[in-house]
Amino acid sequence: AAGVIQSPRHLIKEKRETATLKCYPIPRHDTVYWYQQGPGQDPQFLISFYEKMQSDKGSIPDRFSAQQFSDYHSELNMSSLELGDSALYFCASSTGSRENTGELFFGEGSRLTVL
Amino acid sequence: SQQGEEDPQALSIQEGENATMNCSYKTSINNLQWYRQNSGRGLVHLILIRSNEREKHSGRLRVTLDTSKKSSSLLITASRAADTASYFCATDWGTASKLTFGTGTRLQVTL
Repeated sequence: AAGVIQSPRHLIKEKRETATLKCYPIPRHDTVYWYQQGPGQDPQFLISFYEKMQSDKGSIPDRFSAQQFSDYHSELNMSSLELGDSALYFCASSTGSRENTGELFFGEGSRLTVL
Repeated sequence: SQQGEEDPQALSIQEGENATMNCSYKTSINNLQWYRQNSGRGLVHLILIRSNEREKHSGRLRVTLDTSKKSSSLLITASRAADTASYFCATDWGTASKLTFGTGTRLQVTL
């Protein structure tokens, strides 16, 4: 069965550079979520989209932005990268509604290292 | 944060033993979910229990929910070495379109 696809899997950037992560949700899933997980930490919610509209926003820095496109894939853009942005970034998708979050299907993550 | 602590933070048991992990949260929830994560990999959904349910089973997994105490437990029976992973509870609360994860329990199952 198709899963959530994230690219790239690994990314190395210098401080102050820009990075873009891509996420392709499971077909017919209408909700996409982005999470950030630092080493030994729990996943922290960044942002979600339902039917291509921003649905909820968490602890996402102003330097980060995201959007969901007409084909439902999503991109997370990170600018002015800082050392503390080094983390695993997960995308997840679901068929949940705006009011109820069901089972999330996670991708394998994109590991960002900022040097 | 919405989510409280999970305990224990780490648990080491031998194959065949049962493993119990606990999760607490702070506000009313719609549902509570448990996920498993192998090191550096994506999270995998294990089980979802709704706020009006008290207990749920799935294979060797048993989840309980006590909304009066705002707590949940995950029991893995007859553990196997392959169960070694981190386990997270996550809550869906209010009208938020997201899950809020707990701090996780690292489970080590030895032969």
